Amino acid sequence: NAGVTQTPKFQVLKTGQSMTLQCAQDMNHEYMSWYRQDPGMGLRLIHYSVGAGITDQGEVPNGYNVSRSTTEDFPLRLLSAAPSQTSVYFCASSRDSSTNEKLFFGSGTQLSVL
Amino acid sequence: EDQVTQSPEALRLQEGESSSLNCSYTVSGLRGLFWYRQDPGKGPEFLFTLYSAGEEKEKERLKATLTKKESFLHITAPKPEDSATYLCAVQDPRNAGGTSYGKLTFGQGTILTVHP
Repeated sequence: NAGVTQTPKFQVLKTGQSMTLQCAQDMNHEYMSWYRQDPGMGLRLIHYSVGAGITDQGEVPNGYNVSRSTTEDFPLRLLSAAPSQTSVYFCASSRDSSTNEKLFFGSGTQLSVL
Repeated sequence: EDQVTQSPEALRLQEGESSSLNCSYTVSGLRGLFWYRQDPGKGPEFLFTLYSAGEEKEKERLKATLTKKESFLHITAPKPEDSATYLCAVQDPRNAGGTSYGKLTFGQGTILTVHP
């Protein structure tokens, strides 16, 4: 089992560019989410999904879009990259939407915006 | 606003030197408290979930305990391979929005280094 797969692992963008961070899970998990991790800040929730076709905002959603057309995939789109979006991004999934127990995380995408 | 504070920020131990990491929280109506381990360049990996005061869980050299206001992660006779960042998170069902999902609030983590 691959678990949660994120691509790319590293990315450098210029201010104003757009890109999509990919996330896929092969565990048939209902719940998927995106976090960003910044030094001294802890993990902060960007967007989450409780099933295909259902998404909602987390703590820091501005500047990001998501969609969930299939159970497996949950891409994160940066519409117009800003230096404040320089961070490490993690995708995570869990079996169902009623609890966050046993979140499975991907290995992360390190994004730098110049 | 829910707050989760972990201490110390960094901890350096000698192999075999037992110690504890602290996670204090202010959320009321706690649904669950979670401990994760994160190795450099990797995503967090689930360790434990605690649900009620007095609960304890163990895994190898790690033991997690929970009171009404804080949790401790006790490390007994640590080895260099225990070196990692340990993250604490709490789940508050009041942040559920339109679903039964409860948002996780993470602490900033404790960086543990165990020297041989």
